[in-house]
Amino acid sequence: DAGVTQSPTHLIKTRGQQVTLRCSPKSGHDTVSWYQQALGQGPQFIFQYYEEEERQRGNFPDRFSGHQFPNYSSELNVNALLLGDSALYLCASSPGPGTDTQYFGPGTRLTVL
Amino acid sequence: GENVEQHPSTLSVQEGDSAVIKCTYSDSASNYFPWYKQELGKRPQLIIDIRSNVGEKKDQRIAVTLNKTAKHFSLHITETQPEDSAVYFCAATHSGGGADGLTFGKGTHLIIQP
Repeated sequence: DAGVTQSPTHLIKTRGQQVTLRCSPKSGHDTVSWYQQALGQGPQFIFQYYEEEERQRGNFPDRFSGHQFPNYSSELNVNALLLGDSALYLCASSPGPGTDTQYFGPGTRLTVL
Repeated sequence: GENVEQHPSTLSVQEGDSAVIKCTYSDSASNYFPWYKQELGKRPQLIIDIRSNVGEKKDQRIAVTLNKTAKHFSLHITETQPEDSAVYFCAATHSGGGADGLTFGKGTHLIIQP
């Protein structure tokens, strides 16, 4: 049984570019949440997707957008990259909204130069 | 929104001793409190969680206590071992209310001295 997977592992972009990160949830899970973890900090909630809709959003600008596909996998898109967007982006899945327990993927390390 | 404070930021204990990490939260509606362990370069791993209808939960050497009145919860690790060295994060959320994104503390770097 595969856990949460993310791709790519690492990514280097320059300021102003756009990036797409991908996540496949754990088998049997239909809810995907995205978090940003800056170096030395705790993860910060970006948004959560369920039934292909954004269910909840944290305090992030609309440069951050997402999508969920019918197979429950998800994408995180960030436009107009800033140096401050450099971070580890974590995806977490859970077996349904309101079922609280979230399992994290290995993350994508994004570096913006 | 929710705010979670975590202390201490660094904790060094002798192998075999106990370690305690404390967190406070601000939103009285929060009802789910997980703890994650993150080793360097790895994903956060859920180690224990507690819900607001329970005051204490134990799993082998790890226990979590919750004081809803004071809005604080703590992680207790007994008989610490070298493999317990990692960064530990507490988190809180209001589960089931349509808003269960986790709010995390800033983490505690636990160092187990041989």
